[in-house]
Amino acid sequence: QVQLQESGPGLVKPSQTLSLTCSVSGGSISSTSYFWNWIRQPAGKGLEWIGRVYTSGSTNYNPSLNSRVTMSIDTSQNQFSLRLTSVTAADTAVYYCARGTSYFDFWGQGTLVTVSS
Amino acid sequence: QSALTQPASVFGSPGQSLTISCTGTSTDVGAYNFVSWYQHHPGKAPKLIIYDVSNRPSGISNRFSGSKTGNTASLIISGLQADDEAHYYCSSYTFSTTWVFGGGTKLTVL
Repeated sequence: QVQLQESGPGLVKPSQTLSLTCSVSGGSISSTSYFWNWIRQPAGKGLEWIGRVYTSGSTNYNPSLNSRVTMSIDTSQNQFSLRLTSVTAADTAVYYCARGTSYFDFWGQGTLVTVSS
Repeated sequence: QSALTQPASVFGSPGQSLTISCTGTSTDVGAYNFVSWYQHHPGKAPKLIIYDVSNRPSGISNRFSGSKTGNTASLIISGLQADDEAHYYCSSYTFSTTWVFGGGTKLTVL
């Protein structure tokens, strides 16, 4: 059974950079069958796809966040990461990592990131 | 990209059937059979219940089914049970090589 676990600071100051890591167990992140995704949910709102990274390092991002997002993958550690720059209060959300193909089949439990001074 | 359109809330009684709609455009829902549905209980990870429009993952009850006509996908829940009470989200692949979610539907079992 594949398991994903998000980790990173729970509090980030405005204008700074949000950095999260997703650790994958029970399966190899090097598999060519899957993409590795970040998805977030602001309080009281719906899910928002942030972007995805492939084992090769290629990426696709949500156009609304494209200029601030960078995703990377570390196959040696079976992890992938998210960096979101110049954060504001609007970036306060529960952030999920998820494995994907044409759907998202395994998700992490989510981690709350609050943007506040 | 705009979020897919779902009703904000639906209500049903135990044993009833109900349908949750998910409306997109010809560049997402209407263009690909890559519509999926997720059940989300507060504080837990979303759970995949339908993929590729109408397929159920292993372990998902056959009370859940999915369909699509044109730019609108539908999730049908039959034999409503108390623990079906949750938020439900649809998602679709888009022509921009991105993914988009619906705004979510809160299902209340009366």
